[in-house]
Amino acid sequence: GQSLEQPSEVTAVEGAIVQINCTYQTSGFYGLSWYQQHDGGAPTFLSYNALDGLEETGRFSSFLSRSDSYGYLLLQELQMKDSASYFCAFANTNAGKSTFGDGTTLTVKP
Amino acid sequence: DAGVIQSPRHEVTEMGQEVTLRCKPISGHDYLFWYRQTMMRGLELLIYFNNNVPIDDSGMPEDRFSAKMPNASFSTLKIQPSEPRDSAVYFCASSPMPTGAVGYTFGSGTRLTVV
Repeated sequence: GQSLEQPSEVTAVEGAIVQINCTYQTSGFYGLSWYQQHDGGAPTFLSYNALDGLEETGRFSSFLSRSDSYGYLLLQELQMKDSASYFCAFANTNAGKSTFGDGTTLTVKP
Repeated sequence: DAGVIQSPRHEVTEMGQEVTLRCKPISGHDYLFWYRQTMMRGLELLIYFNNNVPIDDSGMPEDRFSAKMPNASFSTLKIQPSEPRDSAVYFCASSPMPTGAVGYTFGSGTRLTVV
């Protein structure tokens, strides 16, 4: 079957670094995406990994290990505005669509 | 571009009534997706279109739900008759490709409440 697992909640302090993990199970894996969603808002695209390794975009980085079916989102220099839900999603070559995880709620404290 | 435009933003209706949600994708995006988000079930894909043609509707909960895309700039999701368990936020998203490599652009969503 197909599944994604990510922690339901993570808490960190302003200025710190936090890592949100995502493990997945699927056949025909194409790539792993990350989205951010603030309360009452729409999901917004953050990053995509198709190959193993680290992709950096400003304070955010995303990592993928295809052999381990594992990825993570790394947020550095946390700011209060980073408090949101973060979703990992994979694209499946057979289905041609993205399936989303249940999301991780990140709370950044002063 | 104005992004993906959904209407209405909020809809409150009585059980048994017909509800129609509307979406205008980003011009040039060949893929359009309808998702439903609830606390219990997260983000669920209901149906997606490629070049106005429905490709996968396996996520549509039951016959009460239907979706159309008569042209490249407009899609509707209809629920008839509506039930309280349909209460959720419905998102429309569009993308130039289905694999997520350049991300899906989501609309602001329609918050549906069925009483």
